[in-house]
Amino acid sequence: KAGVTQTPRYLIKTRGQQVTLSCSPISGHRSVSWYQQTPGQGLQFLFEYFSETQRNKGNFPGRFSGRQFSNSRSEMNVSTLELGDSALYLCASSSYGGIIDTQYFGPGTRLTVL
Amino acid sequence: AQKVTQAQTEISVVEKEDVTLDCVYETRDTTYYLFWYKQPPSGELVFLIRRNSFDEQNEISGRYSWNFQKSTSSFNFTITASQVVDSAVYFCALSEGTSGTYKYIFGTGTRLKVLA
Repeated sequence: KAGVTQTPRYLIKTRGQQVTLSCSPISGHRSVSWYQQTPGQGLQFLFEYFSETQRNKGNFPGRFSGRQFSNSRSEMNVSTLELGDSALYLCASSSYGGIIDTQYFGPGTRLTVL
Repeated sequence: AQKVTQAQTEISVVEKEDVTLDCVYETRDTTYYLFWYKQPPSGELVFLIRRNSFDEQNEISGRYSWNFQKSTSSFNFTITASQVVDSAVYFCALSEGTSGTYKYIFGTGTRLKVLA
């Protein structure tokens, strides 16, 4: 099976702009989670989608949003970018989500905000 | 409060040495899962192992072994005869909670440098 894919791999934006990141899960996986990774804060959970519904959410401002399509592909959107949003954004997929499920990660999208 | 502690920020070893990466977790749940992931420079987290809270058997997979001890809330990872290709950041993670409110909590990671 193909692994989790994320596009684009690299992005450079300026403050105030918005950005959309895309994630295609492993075939058959219905749960997609998003994480932000920064040197200072480590890996932080953003949100999880299952069957096109946000099922779980971390402690991020409303500028961070996401959605999931019927084919389980997911997008994450960040509006009004701030310098602190510069990070590696990782997407992970699992069969059904939940504590028992192993998450498989994509290569990430490295976002730089200037 | 941080629930997964990886106290070792960075470890350097010479090739062929054994190295142990420590992971201490905190949870009030009786059912939970522990994971180890490897993050090479490419950035992708690679799944290594999953262990549930009811299975305290140690596991060995090639040069990798894991020691799970509920009494000390630890889930340590040992690499035997380390190789340069083992150089990466290793993350320990805990999943806990119920459906709809579960969370994956990652430690801050341990950077392992294996020198030739």
